[in-house]
Amino acid sequence: GAVVSQHPSWVICKSGTSVKIECRSLDFQATTMFWYRQFPKQSLMLMATSNEGSKATYEQGVEKDKFLINHASLTLSTLTVTSAHPEDSSFYICSARDTGTSLIYEQYFGPGTRLTVT
Amino acid sequence: DQQVKQNSPSLSVQEGRISILNCDYTNSMFDYFLWYKKYPAEGPTFLISISSIKDKNEDGRFTVFLNKSAKHLSLHIVPSQPGDSAVYFCAARVSGTYKYIFGTGTRLKVLA
Repeated sequence: GAVVSQHPSWVICKSGTSVKIECRSLDFQATTMFWYRQFPKQSLMLMATSNEGSKATYEQGVEKDKFLINHASLTLSTLTVTSAHPEDSSFYICSARDTGTSLIYEQYFGPGTRLTVT
Repeated sequence: DQQVKQNSPSLSVQEGRISILNCDYTNSMFDYFLWYKKYPAEGPTFLISISSIKDKNEDGRFTVFLNKSAKHLSLHIVPSQPGDSAVYFCAARVSGTYKYIFGTGTRLKVLA
């Protein structure tokens, strides 16, 4: 099956620093990738839709200058949390849609990245 | 405003019995509904889906039922197995987009 990886799987950083999270589709091309955030015991909240070669589309309430998204190739999207604060601590999950799929509703999820800001 | 709700945070079922997980939604802008299974520290994996024009879809031990008038869907797992123990999320796809709205999840524990 389609595999999506994320790196790192967990990261601890100090307040004020920036952290980059990578999302890769390993065996398929993904024109569109998605970034989600999950707080404990809460649902996955869509943060933004990342399109290869164009600007990301952010959901209402998500600061685009704080959560920088770059989708430079068909297999890689990155999320950079800039000037991180403790309230940014969360579980970040990406998903990717197989460009070649005929299944219009399937997304493949990465394993997630646990970010802790101290 | 939570558009997709899973009101039961947890459920325990004996092995071999049926597990029924429920999900409610609040608007009609969704064209597909999906169920995902998630283990700790892993991303969700797709289980089964149903189009909004259907009322039932079955795949092996998993069956999803959709009641559009009640804006309610359910996932039936029968027979339940200990390996089914995980958090189950229902999700709804906004019509014409790839945007999914997720519920808060139900933790299923299947007791051996």
